[in-house]
Amino acid sequence: DGGITQSPKYLFRKEGQNVTLSCEQNLNHDAMYWYRQDPGQGLRLIYYSQIVNDFQKGDIAEGYSVSREKKESFPLTVTSAQKNPTAFYLCAVQDSSYNSPLHFGNGTRLTVT
Amino acid sequence: GENVEQHPSTLSVQEGDSAVIKCTYSDSASNYFPWYKQELGKGPQLIIDIRSNVGEKKDQRIAVTLNKTAKHFSLHITETQPEDSAVYFCAASDSWGKLQFGAGTQVVVTP
Repeated sequence: DGGITQSPKYLFRKEGQNVTLSCEQNLNHDAMYWYRQDPGQGLRLIYYSQIVNDFQKGDIAEGYSVSREKKESFPLTVTSAQKNPTAFYLCAVQDSSYNSPLHFGNGTRLTVT
Repeated sequence: GENVEQHPSTLSVQEGDSAVIKCTYSDSASNYFPWYKQELGKGPQLIIDIRSNVGEKKDQRIAVTLNKTAKHFSLHITETQPEDSAVYFCAASDSWGKLQFGAGTQVVVTP
């Protein structure tokens, strides 16, 4: 989706290092989400934020942290506490309407060795 | 919480044939059901969605049906083309309006 930018597309890190994934949007949507995708699996929710300066844990928040200091930005930090960090990470945005669709960025593939 | 099951996990069809993907959900309060298509190396793209006050919705070669009583919904793709090859995900909203996703279906359209 052109209004959602995830960078970088590929990221490589050594085990034990924290790494931050960027997600920026220019759609002026209130809600932002981080999902993790592993091969052959669906999308699992890590964290989400419905307004600035507020966020909630999703189903698999352990080992991750986020911040929401600006409406257009929702960075995700993968900490050294995350046991299996190698995955495809997807950021999504949603406007404030109840049950409105999510719009996804093109993802960041993180490889930790 | 909401649990969404999706079948089949892989689907191979001949070009021109129809493809059907089925999903079931557990939360009777769910009332929003989107479908996403994901091409290799990209994020999922919304292709069609349906709300619980509607039983069927169609957009060109794509249709979605919803049976709230049985708690299942299906995606139908007619006259499949090679560019329909992708992974398709169904999703259902939970009680808080957050989406729970199925595990995905890899669709391969062979010429």
